[in-house]
Amino acid sequence: SQELEQSPQSLIVQEGKNLTINCTSSKTLYGLYWYKQKYGEGLIFLMMLQKGGEEKSHEKITAKLDEKKQQSSLHITASQPSHAGIYLCGADGGAGGTSYGKLTFGQGTILTVHP
Amino acid sequence: SAVISQKPSRDICQRGTSLTIQCQVDSQVTMMFWYRQQPGQSLTLIATANQGSEATYESGFVIDKFPISRPNLTFSTLTVSNMSPEDSSIYLCSVVMWGSGNTIYFGEGSWLTVV
Repeated sequence: SQELEQSPQSLIVQEGKNLTINCTSSKTLYGLYWYKQKYGEGLIFLMMLQKGGEEKSHEKITAKLDEKKQQSSLHITASQPSHAGIYLCGADGGAGGTSYGKLTFGQGTILTVHP
Repeated sequence: SAVISQKPSRDICQRGTSLTIQCQVDSQVTMMFWYRQQPGQSLTLIATANQGSEATYESGFVIDKFPISRPNLTFSTLTVSNMSPEDSSIYLCSVVMWGSGNTIYFGEGSWLTVV
């Protein structure tokens, strides 16, 4: 089965600082999803990466997938208190078959941004 | 994108009772999934609920404990039966939206506390 390791487990930064969260897979990734979760709430979709070397950005958040498709990073530029929450990476079960759409998640990274 | 509503958003339940969680999507979707997130943990897939077929459960989850209905392409329910404090979790539904870059969206979550 596929395992995802996220690092760091928690992160405390001062507002305005840049930060990076990493997600490493034990197997080649078919699709890698990044979500944000506020405490006790649902998951907010951020980005999905599928191709080796792919990079996507939305506002101040950039996600990358390495060429070997086993590691992804999420980078936040000039962090704000609104970025605080739990960031989760999720790996798709694979193309077609019975595993597509099923996500295996990392343990999450808790981000705190101090004003 | 998809708007996915869940009811209830929160509830406190008595030990031994059952509770049904609803998941309503604003568009028709074929693939729907139910997850559990125990306190301080990441998400674990409970089952796949595709319309027109019986729900398929992941290892460790059984139909008697978590019966699922999927009457149409926009709605599903998950029942947590004979609840114990160990069932205290956030329960989330997710859907696959097909298009340019298939995306997996999550509902708002249903936070159950069993006392």
